[in-house]
Amino acid sequence: GENVEQHPSTLSVQEGDSAVIKCTYSDSASNYFPWYKQELGKRPQLIIDIRSNVGEKKDQRIAVTLNKTAKHFSLHITETQPEDSAVYFCAASKKSDYKLSFGAGTTVTVRA
Amino acid sequence: DAGVTQSPTHLIKTRGQQVTLRCSPKSGHDTVSWYQQALGQGPQFIFQYYEEEERQRGNFPDRFSGHQFPNYSSELNVNALLLGDSALYLCASSLGAGEKLFFGSGTQLSVL
Repeated sequence: GENVEQHPSTLSVQEGDSAVIKCTYSDSASNYFPWYKQELGKRPQLIIDIRSNVGEKKDQRIAVTLNKTAKHFSLHITETQPEDSAVYFCAASKKSDYKLSFGAGTTVTVRA
Repeated sequence: DAGVTQSPTHLIKTRGQQVTLRCSPKSGHDTVSWYQQALGQGPQFIFQYYEEEERQRGNFPDRFSGHQFPNYSSELNVNALLLGDSALYLCASSLGAGEKLFFGSGTQLSVL
């Protein structure tokens, strides 16, 4: 089955700096890659997603890039703010599948 | 518009007991997926229900079973509880096989 690896496991950044989280996937048939943000004690929330026919997608301070050849995708957060502190999960799925395979998560801490 | 609701929020059981968790999907959604999230890990797919049938199952034993009702709500049942079943159980709903999952806040299950 699909195996998604996520790095780093923890990330501490100064407010205003950028944060980058990277994920790799194993199944070349995967074609959908969402990112979820989970604040402490709360539900995972979809923050951005990308499909395999697109190389990059941006939504305000958040962007995701996809390299299908290398089978990796990344989340970029610019101008980080304290409210960006949370655990971020990447995930992957393929058209013939109904499940999302998640990475282990990255705990992001934004220092004021 | 209510999002995905789960009950109960917390549950404490002892080994060998049985538990039932409940989920109501987001309005307009017809598909319910269940995920298990162990502490410090990403969610793991248990199964998905659509049209009152289990459409896909992850690598979980038969002790885990589910049901979907005509109003699209769903139950997750776990029999013969083990200590290792202690986790946050997340329900997610979507429209059809749509990848955009909306998660509930989860049920925190502790098995003593």
